[in-house]
Amino acid sequence: SYELTQPPSVSVSPGQTASITCSGDKLGDKYACWYQQKPGQSPVLVIYQNNKRPSGIPERFSGSNSGNTATLTISGTQAMDEADYYCQAWDSSVVFGGGTKLTVL
Amino acid sequence: EVQLVESGGGLVQPGGSLRLSCAASGFTFSSYVMSWVRQAPGKGLEWVSGISVRGSSTYSADSVKGRFTISRDNSKNTLYLQMNSLRAEDTAVYYCAKGGVGTVVPLDYWGQGTLVTASS
Repeated sequence: SYELTQPPSVSVSPGQTASITCSGDKLGDKYACWYQQKPGQSPVLVIYQNNKRPSGIPERFSGSNSGNTATLTISGTQAMDEADYYCQAWDSSVVFGGGTKLTVL
Repeated sequence: EVQLVESGGGLVQPGGSLRLSCAASGFTFSSYVMSWVRQAPGKGLEWVSGISVRGSSTYSADSVKGRFTISRDNSKNTLYLQMNSLRAEDTAVYYCAKGGVGTVVPLDYWGQGTLVTASS
């Protein structure tokens, strides 16, 4: 079965750029999505089709996908961005990465 | 405003059954693929099952095949998940999620979730 691998944790200072990676075999040939989940809340879609932002998602969220790696980039990271982030792709079924805890300190 | 409201969760003994419901509003329910996604306590997201707009096609994770059945009633704007032969490892918050027109993903709206606990 298809697998997506994310680092368990990423730390970033306020105002800096955070990058969260997601690796999978030929992931660049598929569409990647990213979801943000804050403690006690439901997931929120922040990036779809590799680099598109749903309405209401701040411009500081961006995405890319090439080769075997998709990347979620948060520019000018704010304290409110501290959350778990999950990548997701479709490979005959919906596949989620294990999640990355983003700490803003 | 899109709203997805799950119900039906609770405590059930291993081997038992439970039916979850998801009431949808704020969009044309019959035009979108729908899914169930679960999250075990302290763990990540796991897609459980999806269903086409008319309900003619369903998709399920290997972990629930033969035990869980997804269905929908477009006249009632409601999504269901019938869960049989529940196991301890099925304990999780179950989310209802809206997909695209004809596509399972992206999952652009999620409900608040309902907790299912399979324990004796």
